[in-house]
Amino acid sequence: AQSVTQLGSHVSVSEGALVLLRCNYSSSVPPYLFWYVQYPNQGLQLLLKYTTGATLVKGINGFEAEFKKSETSFHLTKPSAHMSDAAEYFCAVSESGSARQLTFGSGTQLTVLP
Amino acid sequence: EAGVAQSPRYKIIEKRQSVAFWCNPISGHATLYWYQQILGQGPKLLIQFQNNGVVDDSQLPKDRFSAERLKGVDSTLKIQPAKLEDSAVYLCASSLDNSETQYFGPGTRLLVL
Repeated sequence: AQSVTQLGSHVSVSEGALVLLRCNYSSSVPPYLFWYVQYPNQGLQLLLKYTTGATLVKGINGFEAEFKKSETSFHLTKPSAHMSDAAEYFCAVSESGSARQLTFGSGTQLTVLP
Repeated sequence: EAGVAQSPRYKIIEKRQSVAFWCNPISGHATLYWYQQILGQGPKLLIQFQNNGVVDDSQLPKDRFSAERLKGVDSTLKIQPAKLEDSAVYLCASSLDNSETQYFGPGTRLLVL
């Protein structure tokens, strides 16, 4: 069975500072990994995904994540936080197979301080 | 292209009442998902459709929840009777097929009193 752990349910950073949101996963087969962002009262929007190939994945809004198999991690980073980045971020994993269902972490609420 | 549409956006009911949610996926998307997102948690898959057939409903509380996608396009999710613990956001997502990226609708926020 697959699972996702997001360390830190709340993260605060100052505007212009580095954003680091942590995600660790467990999977019995090579995983597909995703980061989604959710703004208040909205659905989830895909930020980026890793399937195969290059382990450093670039997404929208300046975010990127690196797949590290040895650490079973897929941490999300952004060099310089912007006020508009304040939202909830979800890491998700799916395993191979026809269903390819997503299992989500519990989310990290990002606050950006002026 | 238009995104995933859901209605209503908000619903307040009393326990033991029934409620239904509607989802219209992105045009041409064969796979449709319903998720339940309880406050403070990540979304949890309830049911997955491939066209008008059910792929997985193992997490659907079938004593009170039901879902259908009769023509392989729109879908409805019903709760009857509702319990207090059903208060959550119900998200619909669709993908081109079951191996592709899922696109989410805005969700229906349900409050059961």
